[in-house]
Amino acid sequence: AQRVTQPEKLLSVFKGAPVELKCNYSYSGSPELFWYVQYSRQRLQLLLRHISRESIKGFTADLNKGETSFHLKKPFAQEEDSAMYYCALSGMGAQKLVFGQGTRLTINP
Amino acid sequence: KAGVTQTPRYLIKTRGQQVTLSCSPISGHRSVSWYQQTPGQGLQFLFEYFSETQRNKGNFPGRFSGRQFSNSRSEMNVSTLELGDSALYLCASSLVGTSGNNEQFFGPGTRLTVL
Repeated sequence: AQRVTQPEKLLSVFKGAPVELKCNYSYSGSPELFWYVQYSRQRLQLLLRHISRESIKGFTADLNKGETSFHLKKPFAQEEDSAMYYCALSGMGAQKLVFGQGTRLTINP
Repeated sequence: KAGVTQTPRYLIKTRGQQVTLSCSPISGHRSVSWYQQTPGQGLQFLFEYFSETQRNKGNFPGRFSGRQFSNSRSEMNVSTLELGDSALYLCASSLVGTSGNNEQFFGPGTRLTVL
């Protein structure tokens, strides 16, 4: 079964503090993992994907196949990071995305 | 480049009616996927179309159907509407080029309310 679990519905941290949004998955095979973000009154957009191994807006995520996790991290949170974050997976090159339930991140000043 | 557009943005229907939603992908994108977003179930995949063919389908009843035209524009149809069909319906398009280049670009969604 394909499943993505984001254990935290809400996460609140102070500006400048480290942020970690958790994501665990189950998938038989080699999935592609993504983080999507939705800022207030904006569309859902791709933040990063495990294949590209990039750091976007200071965020990084490492795929841990042993723990089946793909946690999103940022060392110093900024107020503009406040948004809804979704972890998602797909088969390699496939279009069907399986989403987690999302984590609402709030950065307090 | 213009982004993914969806029409209409808001719809109110009554139970038993049918509805058609439209999605125009980014120019050059040949894959269009549809998702249903509800507070209870979150984001769920409905189906994906590529070159006018349905390539993948989620776990939804047959009342949900779609199609894609030769210009890659897509429509989805829901027949015999139920109260539980009230949701935000998102469309996403993808270039689907070389392996790994499957980033999906989402539209603003159509908010369907069934009374």
